[in-house]
Amino acid sequence: QITLKESGPTLVKPTQTLTLTCTFSGFSLSTNAVGVGWIRQSPGKALEWLALINWNDDKRYSPSLKSRLTITKDTSKNQVVLTITKMDPVDTATYFCVHSIEAAGGFKFRYWGQGTLVTASS
Amino acid sequence: DIQMTQSPSSVSASVGDRVTITCRASQGVGSYLAWYQQKPGKAPKLLIYAASSLQSGVPSRFSGSGYGTDFTLTISSLQPEDFATYYCQQANTFPLTFGGGTNVEIK
Repeated sequence: QITLKESGPTLVKPTQTLTLTCTFSGFSLSTNAVGVGWIRQSPGKALEWLALINWNDDKRYSPSLKSRLTITKDTSKNQVVLTITKMDPVDTATYFCVHSIEAAGGFKFRYWGQGTLVTASS
Repeated sequence: DIQMTQSPSSVSASVGDRVTITCRASQGVGSYLAWYQQKPGKAPKLLIYAASSLQSGVPSRFSGSGYGTDFTLTISSLQPEDFATYYCQQANTFPLTFGGGTNVEIK
């Protein structure tokens, strides 16, 4: 059974750095074709893909946020960490971590965490 | 970036209706297209991947079709639990991108 859970602060001040941790179980991030990604959703808005780290440590970022994002993995702890620098009120959103599998048909997000709402406000 | 455009943005339908949602990509993505269902306050749920493959456990009233730039999600007979927002996502090229969503409402 695959599960993912996001953790981190619910409130950050503008200009601060946000650090989110995804703790997962039921799979290994050292397995071929497996990855963990982050997707966010601002209140009332559509989904926005942010970043993905693959089993071979290949990392991909949204170009619009690339300068502010860093994604890392700790395979031994079954964790993936996303940091976002220079937080702004427009970054207020629910942040989801997702299990990714690269297969025929591309990257598939079958398992999602419950999401964590992060508010950027002074 | 590949832009994904969904239409309509909202649709009102009754239980038993056939509902079709379209998704257009700004450039070809082959069959690398997924559909998700999201209910308020919940994480999205994968319905369809590879444009037309039904994810295990998803009811057969959901179907997907299309290739290249034009895709459709069809719900053959709308059920009460299907009222939700639906998103398409291209899975072909980074950055991975989502459509703006289609809200299926009760008529």
